[in-house]
Amino acid sequence: GQQVMQIPQYQHVQEGEDFTTYCNSSTTLSNIQWYKQRPGGHPVFLIQLVKSGEVKKQKRLTFQFGEAKKNSSLHITATQTTDVGTYFCAVSGGYQKVTFGTGTKLQVIP
Amino acid sequence: DAEITQSPRHKITETGRQVTLACHQTWNHNNMFWYRQDLGHGLRLIHYSYGVQDTNKGEVSDGYSVSRSNTEDLPLTLESAASSQTSVYFCASSALAGVNEQFFGPGTRLTVL
Repeated sequence: GQQVMQIPQYQHVQEGEDFTTYCNSSTTLSNIQWYKQRPGGHPVFLIQLVKSGEVKKQKRLTFQFGEAKKNSSLHITATQTTDVGTYFCAVSGGYQKVTFGTGTKLQVIP
Repeated sequence: DAEITQSPRHKITETGRQVTLACHQTWNHNNMFWYRQDLGHGLRLIHYSYGVQDTNKGEVSDGYSVSRSNTEDLPLTLESAASSQTSVYFCASSALAGVNEQFFGPGTRLTVL
């Protein structure tokens, strides 16, 4: 099945600092999704990227799909304590199903 | 409002027992999925279904089974629970077409002693 590596595994930042997580694949991806899971919660869909070089923004979150469609990043500007959680990328693993990355756990220090 | 529910939310069982985890969605989604989440492994797919009477194995299906007799439900059965199956289990669903955003249930924390 589709394999995807997500880095870093953990990240601690001071509130107000920026944060970036990366998702890398050895093969070309048809699309990529990002999810957020709050501590003790369930994953919640954030966005899907489809086009090469695509950049989408949601308030302080910026999502980017690489030109070769083999990598993606999620960047958070000026982190807040509400950003705490684990961020997962998910790539197409066949018809209508996805393979999740191992996630990046973000801790924001007030 | 449409939702996806799981029950029980917490379960403690003994090795060798059969356990069934329930998943019920009111989105009228064709696709349903079961994942397990363990530290360091992210979410791993156990079984999935694209519709009534359809079931498929995921990457970690050994020791688990599912059945899909209607659109709303996809129960997950552990035939003979093992300690290695202690985990948090998430059910998810998605629509047949368009952006296949997955909607997740709240999860079931299963402990096998």
